[in-house]
Amino acid sequence: GAGVSQSPSNKVTEKGKDVELRCDPISGHTALYWYRQSLGQGLEFLIYFQGNSAPDKSGLPSDRFSAERTGGSVSTLTIQRTQQEDSAVYLCASSFGGADETQYFGPGTRLLVL
Amino acid sequence: RKEVEQDPGPFNVPEGATVAFNCTYSNSASQSFFWYRQDCRKEPKLLMSVYSSGNEDGRFTAQLNRASQYISLLIRDSKLSDSATYLCVVSRQGGKLIFGQGTELSVKP
Repeated sequence: GAGVSQSPSNKVTEKGKDVELRCDPISGHTALYWYRQSLGQGLEFLIYFQGNSAPDKSGLPSDRFSAERTGGSVSTLTIQRTQQEDSAVYLCASSFGGADETQYFGPGTRLLVL
Repeated sequence: RKEVEQDPGPFNVPEGATVAFNCTYSNSASQSFFWYRQDCRKEPKLLMSVYSSGNEDGRFTAQLNRASQYISLLIRDSKLSDSATYLCVVSRQGGKLIFGQGTELSVKP
């Protein structure tokens, strides 16, 4: 079946511009997670959505970052006024929810802020 | 200090070798434990979950010691295709994953 898909696969933007990254989770998965992987920082948690519960935003690095999940499916991660340090691979994952469930990752969006 | 610490890499081993990776975690509230594998410029994929009783999947054996907050992965008879970065991962309530920095393994002919 279809896995997690993300778009765009690559994004180059200028410092100060806003960007939107999209994630389509696996059908039926109730939980959706966003992570970021940058050189020297490894993979870090950003935000997760579980069903209709309020999202856990504890990993968002600043108020320039926000995410929403519409209709319990597709999610959009928005970065406003991008900075060079935002350059990273942004990975989305989905699962049936819960600490012991396998998370399936999408291929990621490679963001480069010039 | 990072919440999940792994052996520094890279590990360069010949085919057929046995290699062991170690990992420690600092948050006793961690609920579940995993090893993920990440190939160059690819997304992470679950290799195996880790249980206190120890678990084996073919050439791979994982072990968890909750008292010591220590996780290990043993790869026997390593293959060229095992070359990748191995990520030690713990999860919190709700499934939020906390990743180690990863250990790079290179298996040579």
